[in-house]
Amino acid sequence: DTGVSQNPRHKITKRGQNVTFRCDPISEHNRLYWYRQTLGQGPEFLTYFQNEAQLEKSRLLSDRFSAERPKGSFSTLEIQRTEQGDSAMYLCASSLVRTGGTEAFFGQGTRLTVV
Amino acid sequence: AQSVSQHNHHVILSEAASLELGCNYSYGGTVNLFWYVQYPGQHLQLLLKYFSGDPLVKGIKGFEAEFIKSKFSFNLRKPSVQWSDTAEYFCAVTYNAGGTSYGKLTFGQGTILTVHP
Repeated sequence: DTGVSQNPRHKITKRGQNVTFRCDPISEHNRLYWYRQTLGQGPEFLTYFQNEAQLEKSRLLSDRFSAERPKGSFSTLEIQRTEQGDSAMYLCASSLVRTGGTEAFFGQGTRLTVV
Repeated sequence: AQSVSQHNHHVILSEAASLELGCNYSYGGTVNLFWYVQYPGQHLQLLLKYFSGDPLVKGIKGFEAEFIKSKFSFNLRKPSVQWSDTAEYFCAVTYNAGGTSYGKLTFGQGTILTVHP
């Protein structure tokens, strides 16, 4: 399968611990996005990269959150000092930017539970 | 801020019934429009998309959607649903400037569709 891959699929952590998620996009895609989805809601944008440059961050992304995309390939999303409110599904998507329109392909997500 | 609104949270239908799910967005500029589907336990998959041209777009599995610019709407339709269409459906929008999409999706809240056999 050459789709978007996310690891781990599930993560349970204690409040206050740090967690890191990984996303491997479709290989030729130059854009990579992170979204967060809570129960009963649609995904909410967190941040996105074009190649290795982080171009936009949502106000949802507090100082405890950091994302990287070294060398424009895979990306990591780290949450420091996790809180119960961080419990959610974290989705990664990738796309190939082009004039006229671009569609995003999603991974299966990492479900975070903070206890 | 741009927003997307889906009219129904949960729709319950019997097989062979017709489906229409409403979606409205708030932005007055150039948009790209999408419907994504999430089957139980699976990732978000693209059903169909509108970039430009014919406002009636056809997607996979017999779904179609109509872009009505004057109403800021992009409703999803299917003439006859099947049990296998049971899933959650999300309308999403990206906003364009200068012919290039920003690519960042704004999603609606989602509509859960349950189809009884």
